[in-house]
Amino acid sequence: NAGVTQTPKFQVLKTGQSMTLQCAQDMNHNSMYWYRQDPGMGLRLIYYSASEGTTDKGEVPNGYNVSRLNKREFSLRLESAAPSQTSVYFCASSEFYEQYFGPGTRLTVT
Amino acid sequence: QQQVKQSPQSLIVQKGGISIINCAYENTAFDYFPWYQQFPGKGPALLIAIRPDVSEKKEGRFTISFNKSAKQFSLHIMDSQPGDSATYFCAAANAGGTSYGKLTFGQGTILTVHP
Repeated sequence: NAGVTQTPKFQVLKTGQSMTLQCAQDMNHNSMYWYRQDPGMGLRLIYYSASEGTTDKGEVPNGYNVSRLNKREFSLRLESAAPSQTSVYFCASSEFYEQYFGPGTRLTVT
Repeated sequence: QQQVKQSPQSLIVQKGGISIINCAYENTAFDYFPWYQQFPGKGPALLIAIRPDVSEKKEGRFTISFNKSAKQFSLHIMDSQPGDSATYFCAAANAGGTSYGKLTFGQGTILTVHP
């Protein structure tokens, strides 16, 4: 039982490049979330998926897209990376209120 | 728009002391208030949570105090240990009758417990 897994762990992109962050959970949770963590800002919700087949914007969705591929997987895509997207990205899943977080992806955009 | 404000940003406590972290919220529709603990290089993990129908919840050395009228809640860590050194986040959610809660996080507090 791995919980929530994220790939890659680290990534460096040049401005304008694209990439997809992958997230998978093996807890059979209905809801999944993407957050970004920046110093002094806490964690801010980018997008979430309340259940398979649905996605909704969170607090900071601009510059990102998501896909809920199936119940287990929820990916986050940066179409044209910008330095402002340098951050640590966390995926989480939940069945009710308690959210379980993955280990994070540290992304640097130069 | 920061709906949950957390203080202090950093806190240094001696081993055996009491650590206190405070949070204030604006949205009266919030009905779930968790605290998360995060160690360096790891994702946050749920530490303890409270609903607004109680004023206090205790789990071991960790206690949440909740003041609904003041729209404030706090985390108390009794007998603080060096292993408690981590970043702590308060959060709030409004489930609104759904089966999940979108969390709004505070800014985080870096706790250092000196031996």
